[in-house]
Amino acid sequence: KAGVTQTPRYLIKTRGQQVTLSCSPISGHRSVSWYQQTPGQGLQFLFEYFSETQRNKGNFPGRFSGRQFSNSRSEMNVSTLELGDSALYLCASSENFGNQPQHFGDGTRLSIL
Amino acid sequence: GQQLNQSPQSMFIQEGEDVSMNCTSSSIFNTWLWYKQEPGEGPVLLIALYKAGELTSNGRLTAQFGITRKDSFLNISASIPSDVGIYFCAGLYNNDMRFGAGTRLTVKP
Repeated sequence: KAGVTQTPRYLIKTRGQQVTLSCSPISGHRSVSWYQQTPGQGLQFLFEYFSETQRNKGNFPGRFSGRQFSNSRSEMNVSTLELGDSALYLCASSENFGNQPQHFGDGTRLSIL
Repeated sequence: GQQLNQSPQSMFIQEGEDVSMNCTSSSIFNTWLWYKQEPGEGPVLLIALYKAGELTSNGRLTAQFGITRKDSFLNISASIPSDVGIYFCAGLYNNDMRFGAGTRLTVKP
């Protein structure tokens, strides 16, 4: 079974731009979560989608948004990029919503210049 | 976000030694998970624990779900150089998932 696939792997943007990251979950997994990982803050939860609906949201500003498609693929968008948005963005999928182990992709490394 | 206390923060050990790390919380969890992350990659699930008191092994790795449901430990026996990485614990309650800050393991050959 293919794992969680995230594209692109690396991205360089400048302040003020916007970016869209993509995640394809493991086949059959219907829940997708997004995390921001930085050396100082560790893994910070952004949001979780299940059946095309956002079910849970972390403590991030409205510049961070996401969506999920009918095939469970998910995208995350960050608008008006700031230097502090430089991070590894990880997507994780699980079979269902609830007490399910999450399986991570290798992330998108976003650098803001 | 991170609300689990994971220790130690880092470990430098000799190849062949055993390793122990743990996670504690003020909250109870229904599921404890242990992940390993290597440079340039995402966390990989090592062990999942679903019941208080459960002891589960995966090769040289053994993890336990604490009786109080507020803690878990991970042991690695006879460490080898490829055990190098950052180990994260995660606790899950309903749909709320919290992570520890990680234990960075260095193994000297």
